[in-house]
Amino acid sequence: KNQVEQSPQSLIILEGKNCTLQCNYTVSPFSNLRWYKQDTGRGPVSLTIMTFSENTKSNGRYTATLDADTKQSSLHITASQLSDSASYICVVSLNNAGNMLTFGGGTRLMVKP
Amino acid sequence: KAGVTQTPRYLIKTRGQQVTLSCSPISGHRSVSWYQQTPGQGLQFLFEYFSETQRNKGNFPGRFSGRQFSNSRSEMNVSTLELGDSALYLCASIPFSGSTDTQYFGPGTRLTVL
Repeated sequence: KNQVEQSPQSLIILEGKNCTLQCNYTVSPFSNLRWYKQDTGRGPVSLTIMTFSENTKSNGRYTATLDADTKQSSLHITASQLSDSASYICVVSLNNAGNMLTFGGGTRLMVKP
Repeated sequence: KAGVTQTPRYLIKTRGQQVTLSCSPISGHRSVSWYQQTPGQGLQFLFEYFSETQRNKGNFPGRFSGRQFSNSRSEMNVSTLELGDSALYLCASIPFSGSTDTQYFGPGTRLTVL
């Protein structure tokens, strides 16, 4: 069964600190892996998209890594800000499946002052 | 450029009724995907439409259906509503239908079934 597992489920950090969120997947055949940020009550917003051949991709203070051999990805947030408080969702796309996405359960991040 | 528009934003229905949700994608985008988000199941793929044709369908019962019009606008319909259908329904606008295309999500329609 194609699955995407994220850890931790929730995380509280102080403003200015760094954090790393984890994603493990068993989706096959793999096409690409995405990280989304979802604020409460709003639709998800794309942060990064990585294909099989990409190991790392950055978007400002967000850096995603991908190890396609171990089927693991991480999202590193540097110098966190209060506005980073949101759910972060790891999403994997099946090869040859168009835009059919498999979503992880998300990590709920709270940044406190 | 206008973003993705979903209407209505909030909806309250009773069991057994049917509902139609609408999604207007970003101008020029030709593909629309629909997702259901619940606290228990998270985000789940419903279906994808490209050029008025359903390309993929998720694991949902036949009560869930959709269509896409020639202007790329899409509707989804849920018949014989059940309490478990209460969820945030998200529509995503996609430039074409490639698997690496960025998906732009709308604000969602919050459906409550009583």
